Amino acid sequence: AQSVTQLDSQVPVFEEAPVELRCNYSSSVSVYLFWYVQYPNQGLQLLLKYLSGSTLVKGINGFEAEFNKSQTSFHLRKPSVHISDTAEYFCAVRRTGTASKLTFGTGTRLQVTL
Amino acid sequence: GAGVSQSPRYKVAKRGQDVALRCDPISGHVSLFWYQQALGQGPEFLTYFQNEAQLDKSGLPSDRFFAERPEGSVSTLKIQRTQQEDSAVYLCASSFGQDEQYFGPGTRLTVT
Repeated sequence: AQSVTQLDSQVPVFEEAPVELRCNYSSSVSVYLFWYVQYPNQGLQLLLKYLSGSTLVKGINGFEAEFNKSQTSFHLRKPSVHISDTAEYFCAVRRTGTASKLTFGTGTRLQVTL
Repeated sequence: GAGVSQSPRYKVAKRGQDVALRCDPISGHVSLFWYQQALGQGPEFLTYFQNEAQLDKSGLPSDRFFAERPEGSVSTLKIQRTQQEDSAVYLCASSFGQDEQYFGPGTRLTVT
């Protein structure tokens, strides 16, 4: 079984400031890792994913994340946020090797203000 | 199609009514997933289809929940005798093999 912990339920930040959204996971098997973004009344959009290889993953909209196996973390970062980044962000894992369900964290609300 | 579509987008049901939620996956996507997202929570897995075969239904919360995908494309999630605790957003996702899952906009179900 897998579980995901997002340590911050809300993160307020000023526009153009850097941000880090934290994610830790637990799993007894190898997993892939994902970050999704959800805008109000919309479905989930994939920001980035870690499958293998380089532990630093770059995604859309200037986001990046670093996989740390020893700390079982996959924190999401952006060096300079915009108002339009205001949304809910979900970290998720799924078992490697086959099509399988995603296990999500409870989400982090990123609120960007002027 | 261009993406995963779901209908209706919003559904209000009186407690005890049956509802049916539809998902149209991306054409050619073999895998289809249903998730339930309660207010302020992350999505939680309900069930998974590979073509028309329901390979995993371990997340269905009770026998009032039933899903089908008879021809391996469109899927319907049915909830019988709805209860207030069924109020949530129901998300459908599809994928081709082990590729990423693409999500629809969801159906917001409110049980009154």
